[in-house]
Amino acid sequence: DSGVTQTPKHLITATGQRVTLRCSPRSGDLSVYWYQQSLDQGLQFLIQYYNGEERAKGNILERFSAQQFPDLHSELNLSSLELGDSALYFCASSVVGSGSHPNEQFFGPGTRLTVL
Amino acid sequence: AQKVTQAQTEISVVEKEDVTLDCVYETRDTTYYLFWYKQPPSGELVFLIRRNSFDEQNEISGRYSWNFQKSTSSFNFTITASQVVDSAVYFCALSSGSARQLTFGSGTQLTVLP
Repeated sequence: DSGVTQTPKHLITATGQRVTLRCSPRSGDLSVYWYQQSLDQGLQFLIQYYNGEERAKGNILERFSAQQFPDLHSELNLSSLELGDSALYFCASSVVGSGSHPNEQFFGPGTRLTVL
Repeated sequence: AQKVTQAQTEISVVEKEDVTLDCVYETRDTTYYLFWYKQPPSGELVFLIRRNSFDEQNEISGRYSWNFQKSTSSFNFTITASQVVDSAVYFCALSSGSARQLTFGSGTQLTVLP
C-alpha cells in the first residue's frame, strides 16, 4: 500500500459526460501528479500540483482540468468525454516537487475510466 | 526533450532463470534521475529504485540489481533467480532538468513460467 488513495476505483460513463476523479496524497506529501495510462499512448504525465499551485503541465487536453485543495487532496475533472479518454488514471504524490531534486513518486491504485 | 526506450516489449523466462530488462534514455540535461517501477497484474505502480546522474555505482537489493552506464545512456535492471511473482510490466522512467514529472518508457512485460 503506497499510502495514496484514489476514488472511485472504476468509473463507467457515456460520451459527452463529465467525471471527477479524486486523489488523496500520502501524509506529508505536498506534490500531486496525474498520469494517464492508455493502450496506445502508454503512461503519460498530465499535470502536477505543488501545495495548491499548478507547477507543470504535460499532455493534458483542454477538456481536462485539475486542482489541489488546501487539505492537499486533488481532483481531476474530465469533461465532454470521448471514447478515446478510456484509460487508467493514476495519481502520484511525493514529498517535494519544487526543489533541488525529485523524490520518488508513490502511485495510487488508479481509477479505471470506461467511456461507452 | 526527454525520451526513454524499452526495446523489449515482452520477455518470457522459466523460473530461476536470470533476466535483464533494458532501458535507454535520452536527455540534454546533465542532472537527471532514473527510476524503475513495477506494475503487477493488479494494476498498481510500485516504486523499485531511483538513481541520480552523478552516481554510477551499481546497486543490488536482494534478487534485484541495477546497472547504470552514462556512457551508453542505459539503466538496465536484472532479476536473479526469477520467481513467478516477478511477472509484471516493468517501467523505466526519467526525470530531468527543472521538470519533476516522470517520462516513462513503454514498459516490458515479464512473464516468469513455473
